[in-house]
Amino acid sequence: DAKTTQPTSMDCAEGRAANLPCNHSTISGNEYVYWYRQIHSQGPQYIIHGLKNNETNEMASLIITEDRKSSTLILPHATLRDTAVYYCIADMSGTDTNAGKSTFGDGTTLTVKP
Amino acid sequence: SQTIHQWPATLVQPVGSPLSLECTVEGTSNPNLYWYRQAAGRGLQLLFYSIGIDQISSEVPQNLSASRPQDRQFILSSKKLLLSDSGFYLCAWRDYRGIHGYTFGSGTRLTVV
Repeated sequence: DAKTTQPTSMDCAEGRAANLPCNHSTISGNEYVYWYRQIHSQGPQYIIHGLKNNETNEMASLIITEDRKSSTLILPHATLRDTAVYYCIADMSGTDTNAGKSTFGDGTTLTVKP
Repeated sequence: SQTIHQWPATLVQPVGSPLSLECTVEGTSNPNLYWYRQAAGRGLQLLFYSIGIDQISSEVPQNLSASRPQDRQFILSSKKLLLSDSGFYLCAWRDYRGIHGYTFGSGTRLTVV
């Protein structure tokens, strides 16, 4: 899996958009970008993933640059409950041949402030 | 819908004692299963993964072992715990097609004393 680089921490004001960047300059053509978040003392929760196109779901939007070397997770209206550690990973889907073994780095600690 | 159960939530064990953490998945078949460990304030370290019954791969040599006696059951074990085994242990499953990424259990916080 390609290595990803994220800022250690970020702050965001409640109600504003939170934009979390991720660098994955060595991503290969068949690797997806996945985002997860982990609230303290819980298991990580899947947020969104994408390959080339921008994606949106009820939780967030994912913007992937055209060269796929970086991406941004957008939480459009951050709330206090969005305070968590956010992980960006790049991996292939979990096919039998590689079992989707992913490495989760230290992620970005997002603090939403009132 | 699919669910994943992991227990116990917390565990305090003396050095040298055995360990058994269990994880079960419901609502899916032939999942890929994973054990991760997380040190305080750090990311997740992949310990073991399994693509089928009795098919276990170890990512990091250590004092732990894993078994998958049934399709949707994954067990993490140790014969003799070390202080360094303390941490937050997470079980996860993923559809073998990997479409929606990992689903994690709620974790077990293990403290070896």
